[in-house]
Amino acid sequence: DIQMTQSPSSVSASVGDRVTIACRASQDISGWLAWYQQKPGKAPKLLIFAASGLQSGVPSRFSGSGSGTEFTLTISSLQPEDFATYYCQQADSFPYTFGQGTKLEIK
Amino acid sequence: EVQLVESGGGLVQPGGSLRLSCAASGFTFSGHWMHWVRQGPGKELVWVSRINTDGISTSYADSVKGRFTISRDNAKNTLYLQMTSLRAEDTAVYYCVGGGSYYPPYWGQGTRVTVSS
Repeated sequence: DIQMTQSPSSVSASVGDRVTIACRASQDISGWLAWYQQKPGKAPKLLIFAASGLQSGVPSRFSGSGSGTEFTLTISSLQPEDFATYYCQQADSFPYTFGQGTKLEIK
Repeated sequence: EVQLVESGGGLVQPGGSLRLSCAASGFTFSGHWMHWVRQGPGKELVWVSRINTDGISTSYADSVKGRFTISRDNAKNTLYLQMTSLRAEDTAVYYCVGGGSYYPPYWGQGTRVTVSS
């Protein structure tokens, strides 16, 4: 199975900050990567597909990049509603696998 | 409006069985792969299973292979997950997910499964 490793596991930041979350795959997954946002008690929400595609309705301050084994999610200017947990997920092969999550907290 | 509504969760003893259902509406259910994803208490997301549009092709996480069966009824716009030989580690919220083969954007609200004696 492909292992997905996110870093950091948690990060504290302030409104207006730029934040980057990294995701590493244990093998080459080309661009088959998604990013999800999850708030407590809620279902995850798809933010980014195919490594850099912005899902409809998602603010443009969210962006994704990378290919192969190294990927990043960037939030250009944090808003209060962005404090949540973020997951990467590979869609290259079954079983699909998620990263362990990165919790974004208010500083 | 897209809706995925799960049902069938509950408390079950180790070794028991449950069948989860997911009623879909607001999109062309029969045209999309569907998935089950679970999340244990305070834990990360874990992909469980996927089924293709006609129900012929399925895939499973190693942890559930041989115990869980995913199926669908396109006439009823409903997805199922039959779970047998349940273990404590299967305790989780189970999400029905769909609307895109590789990057499904639609998630249900989840149904809670607790395996305990």
